[in-house]
Amino acid sequence: DAKTTQPTSMDCAEGRAANLPCNHSTISGNEYVYWYRQIHSQGPQYIIHGLKNNETNEMASLIITEDRKSSTLILPHATLRDTAVYYCIVRVGVDYKLSFGAGTTVTVRA
Amino acid sequence: ETGVTQSPTHLIKTRGQQVTLRCSSQSGHNTVSWYQQALGQGPQFIFQYYREEENGRGNFPPRFSGLQFPNYSSELNVNALELDDSALYLCASSLAGLAGQETQYFGPGTRLLVL
Repeated sequence: DAKTTQPTSMDCAEGRAANLPCNHSTISGNEYVYWYRQIHSQGPQYIIHGLKNNETNEMASLIITEDRKSSTLILPHATLRDTAVYYCIVRVGVDYKLSFGAGTTVTVRA
Repeated sequence: ETGVTQSPTHLIKTRGQQVTLRCSSQSGHNTVSWYQQALGQGPQFIFQYYREEENGRGNFPPRFSGLQFPNYSSELNVNALELDDSALYLCASSLAGLAGQETQYFGPGTRLLVL
């Protein structure tokens, strides 16, 4: 019951910014956008989340459109270690579960 | 590192057996969620425990059960194992109470193989 649409895969060059899109056209006013990534065979790693304002932390930036129907995760300087599956998740603040879709497989190439 | 630990890392069981997986949550966290991730798929929510009680459940049969202890660690028990139960089992801890800020932090997982 994932509420997001992401591209299946994308490549990016090492050292360049990686821009990962996510569509969540049915998002409600109290639903947050969360991003996780999963490096092969490891547990998912929390990256960032936001409600309506753009957010930035040491890992990435999250840009949410004004209508909140889509967002972009930006990895400013991709490295080979950023190769992973990236999941965009829409979640009600007090909801107890994360609903993972298929995610985007990001491959960073040297 | 998230501070969430899981044991064992790998496990092999045969069909019909029972298994117990363990999770220690991050210091200060009071909520534990369990997920099942089959090969090539995203994690699927099993259930969540808060204050030692089940706080929500996904679409999993009753043979999947859990416990949370006073120190907030948790166990996932699966009875009558089936071949399809082969998966990576993930535990995530969070701090309930801050609406919208209940970020879940995952452990490394336990890989279960049912033969």
